[in-house]
Amino acid sequence: DGGITQSPKYLFRKEGQNVTLSCEQNLNHDAMYWYRQDPGQGLRLIYYSQIVNDFQKGDIAEGYSVSREKKESFPLTVTSAQKNPTAFYLCASSPFNRGHTEAFFGQGTRLTVV
Amino acid sequence: GESVGLHLPTLSVQEGDNSIINCAYSNSASDYFIWYKQESGKGPQFIIDIRSNMDKRQGQRVTVLLNKTVKHLSLQIAATQPGDSAVYFCAESSMTTDSWGKLQFGAGTQVVVTP
Repeated sequence: DGGITQSPKYLFRKEGQNVTLSCEQNLNHDAMYWYRQDPGQGLRLIYYSQIVNDFQKGDIAEGYSVSREKKESFPLTVTSAQKNPTAFYLCASSPFNRGHTEAFFGQGTRLTVV
Repeated sequence: GESVGLHLPTLSVQEGDNSIINCAYSNSASDYFIWYKQESGKGPQFIIDIRSNMDKRQGQRVTVLLNKTVKHLSLQIAATQPGDSAVYFCAESSMTTDSWGKLQFGAGTQVVVTP
């Protein structure tokens, strides 16, 4: 089945550690995105990539890093510089065209700092 | 993005009634709008979209209305069912290449369907 797979579903991190969240898609989509969601709030854009080997900062990029070495994969690293990393992280993808098709979301990774 | 607080607006609807969820957007350059449904602990699911050259679009049991004059979007759900209980988000984006795909999300509305 085509779709977006995020792993792990739950992740626990000690303070001061970097962690990497995985996002893989087999939809042949050019664009991929990472959003952060806090309880009772909407989604805020962290990073996005419209094409392989290129990515752009979103609204809340500080303390995060990404790479886009393959079309299918867009991993997000939450670094120790991110002061409040506990949140629900959502990855999405969409075709890169001016027809404005919707973004498809994965099922999310819930990150908790312990 | 701006946080809008920890308590989502809640719409309580009786099963079988129609629901109307409202959304105000801020960017007059936005030309594409989407409604998503998010169930607890899951990723958002696409419901319906609309481009700025339209003011109404209908899907199965859902209708989206767009009023560009007042920058307002609404989602109407007909004959609301228990399975419609979820958080509903509107999202907007604009056509410029550097902004393409940058969906800006609203804070969301919690819909609770009562029997």
